[in-house]
Amino acid sequence: KAGVTQTPRYLIKTRGQQVTLSCSPISGHRSVSWYQQTPGQGLQFLFEYFSETQRNKGNFPGRFSGRQFSNSRSEMNVSTLELGDSALYLCASSLVGTSVYEQYFGPGTRLTVT
Amino acid sequence: AQTVTQSQPEMSVQEAETVTLSCTYDTSESDYYLFWYKQPPSRQMILVIRQEAYKQQNATENRFSVNFQKAAKSFSLKISDSQLGDAAMYFCASGETSGSRLTFGEGTQLTVNP
Repeated sequence: KAGVTQTPRYLIKTRGQQVTLSCSPISGHRSVSWYQQTPGQGLQFLFEYFSETQRNKGNFPGRFSGRQFSNSRSEMNVSTLELGDSALYLCASSLVGTSVYEQYFGPGTRLTVT
Repeated sequence: AQTVTQSQPEMSVQEAETVTLSCTYDTSESDYYLFWYKQPPSRQMILVIRQEAYKQQNATENRFSVNFQKAAKSFSLKISDSQLGDAAMYFCASGETSGSRLTFGEGTQLTVNP
């Protein structure tokens, strides 16, 4: 099976712009979670989508949003970019419904805001 | 809410030796999972081992094993016969059974010396 894929891998944006990141989960996985990784804050949970619905949300401002499509692919959007949004954004998928679940991560999208 | 603490920012070990990485956590959940993830320089998060909180038996995966002390809320990772490829950042994480949200520790940078 193919792993979790994320596009693009690298992105450079200017402050004030918006950006959309994409994540394709492992085939059959219906849950997609997003995480932000920065040197200062570490790994922080953004949100989780399951069956096209946001099921869980972390403590991020409303500028961060996401969605999930019927094929389980997910996108996250960040509007009005700030310098502090520079980070590695990781997507993870999991097979919900099994007795033990685990998340498989994609390679991440490195976002740089200038 | 869950919190995860890794008190060792850096650790080093000689090749073929054994090293133990520490992790403590706090949770109000009665049922949860604990994980160790490895993040090499490629930034790809790789699941190393997982432990279901309701299981008393410590999980083992080849050279990797955990020491799960539920009462003490401690979850350490032991790497036996360390190899150069084990060099990476290691993250301890906890997960709720009610969703896919993972809470990560600060990470421990492991160096393996030849």
